[in-house]
Amino acid sequence: DSGVTQTPKHLITATGQRVTLRCSPRSGDLSVYWYQQSLDQGLQFLIHYYNGEERAKGNILERFSAQQFPDLHSELNLSSLELGDSALYFCASSVNSGGASETQYFGPGTRLLVL
Amino acid sequence: ILNVEQSPQSLHVQEGDSTNFTCSFPSSNFYALHWYRWETAKSPEALFVMTLNGDEKKKGRISATLNTKEGYSYLYIKGSQPEDSATYLCAPSGGTSYGKLTFGQGTILTVHP
Repeated sequence: DSGVTQTPKHLITATGQRVTLRCSPRSGDLSVYWYQQSLDQGLQFLIHYYNGEERAKGNILERFSAQQFPDLHSELNLSSLELGDSALYFCASSVNSGGASETQYFGPGTRLLVL
Repeated sequence: ILNVEQSPQSLHVQEGDSTNFTCSFPSSNFYALHWYRWETAKSPEALFVMTLNGDEKKKGRISATLNTKEGYSYLYIKGSQPEDSATYLCAPSGGTSYGKLTFGQGTILTVHP
């Protein structure tokens, strides 16, 4: 158990809908990262927040957005869902601002299925 | 964009065998190399973070080496056990990517009893 929690564990929804995935980092960690693992792709970086501010963005679709709140938990919002958005979404956290050698600790993931 | 390659894609070994696999990455703009173990139905677990050329890290029966000049890292498992069965991922980070991890596709290791 990494100490990172994610809810819900599973989510089934329909195309066109909007969902929110939630992540709580390890106690004391200031950075939160979101990654997507789909069937035909490896683990892909989406976005990084540090202490409430966006720090880096990967190939995140415009239909997706995220934020980190003052209590440091983060939410990933996925809207106008398409079948191809079905994937495993991981949240990770790290102690500080996300330096290149900082270990990222992964949560259990949210499995999203879009029907 | 970092091009990360891991080989082999999958590996089947017998319990007790020692094994190793490779992670190749661009040597320019490199700062750190992360290794993760990802067991089925679990989340990726951090194994090592390596930064220095020639660095070697060890955790139990698992060790890793790093060559930043030629852009590769080896992961070794000595005396493989069935519980070592997992996907092993490497991810370089650094330069403009800062804390972003660019993962390879992984090596799937299956250890047969």
